[in-house]
This record gives sequence, structure tokens and C-alpha cells, in this order.
Amino acid sequence: GAGVSQTPSNKVTEKGKYVELRCDPISGHTALYWYRQSLGQGPEFLIYFQGTGAADDSGLPNDRFFAVRPEGSVSTLKIQRTERGDSAVYLCASSSGPLYEQYFGPGTRLTVT
Amino acid sequence: QQQVKQSPQSLIVQKGGISIINCAYENTAFDYFPWYQQFPGKGPALLIAIRPDVSEKKEGRFTISFNKSAKQFSLHIMDSQPGDSATYFCAARGYGGATNKLIFGTGTLLAVQP
Repeated sequence: GAGVSQTPSNKVTEKGKYVELRCDPISGHTALYWYRQSLGQGPEFLIYFQGTGAADDSGLPNDRFFAVRPEGSVSTLKIQRTERGDSAVYLCASSSGPLYEQYFGPGTRLTVT
Repeated sequence: QQQVKQSPQSLIVQKGGISIINCAYENTAFDYFPWYQQFPGKGPALLIAIRPDVSEKKEGRFTISFNKSAKQFSLHIMDSQPGDSATYFCAARGYGGATNKLIFGTGTLLAVQP
């Protein structure tokens, strides 16, 4: 079946602009995660959804970052007033339940100029 | 306490050799330890995972060894092939509470020479 998909694959934006990154999880997966991966580093947790609600948003770095999952499927990560330090690969993962394996999408490479 | 320490940072192995990557953790609440493989430009792909109630798990050429008392676990890749050249990440997940986030190591860049 189809895996986790993320769009766009690449996004270049200017400092101060607003961006939205989209994640389509594996069909039927109730749990969805966002991670951020900087160059040469492992993924770092941002936020976890179980269904429509954010069960843990402790990894969001500041209030410029926000994520939604209104219907319990597709999720959007929103970044306001982007900064150069936000440049990274944003990864989405999903699992069939909270204690099951997490499957990652290909990521969105965000570059803030 | 939430960190997972991974070594080595990079590894060069000859084709047919054994690749060994090590990880250590401190938080005894971790209950699930997966390994991910990542190729350039791709997302991490789940390779193999273990829970702390077993000391070893083998899937094909990949084996996880787990030492609960030492709070260490390692990935062994037997008969390493050039196609195994990738970055490998260990991770750990805490049990219970509202989160099931994975804590990742810093990665090991493996190069298998033909």
C-alpha cells in the first residue's frame, strides 16, 4: 500500500514568510508524528497526534510553530515568521496505534534564505 | 536522561565484513528500541526493533543485541554489502504517558567498500 507522503518535497522561502508543510499518513493510521532533522543529526520530535488531537506538543521549539490534524488524517505543520535556523528536513511519521512502529515519509526540505 | 548516545559517527567496512554500531541510554523507562536506515534524500526506514525483555533479535543479516543492565544495545550487520551503505540511527521510546515519541541517536554513516 501507499506509504506516508509529504508535500512539497522542497520548499524555499524568505526569512519572515509563512509556510505550510503537509503530511498524508498511511491510510488507517491513527497516530501521526512530526520530527525535524538538521544536517548530520538524528530526527528530533516536534509533535504527536492521536486522532485529531495533539497528545504531545512538547517538541515544538516556540510559538511560531503550529500543527493541525482536523479530520484525523492529513496533518499540516505551519511555521510563521520563518527564520534561517528553521532550515531543516521536516519528517512526518505515522503508526497504526500509539505503541506500534512508526513509518516515516520522505520529508520536506525547508530552506529559509 | 532523555539522550541516546550513538557510536561510531562513521564506519568503513569491507564487503562481507561485520558492521557494528552501538547505542547507550540512561532512561530506564524506555521500552522499545528501533533501528532506522536512511539513504540520502529519503526518510528513515524501520530496519529492526527490540523490546527490553529479550537480549537478542535477528532478522536476516541484521541482529540487535540488548544489554538491559548496561543500558546498551547494538546493531550487527553480517555479510555487509555495498547496498547497506547508508546512515543508521538507533532510537528509544518511552512507555506510558501521553507521548510515544522516539528519541534518536546522532547517526552512524556506514560505507561498505566493494
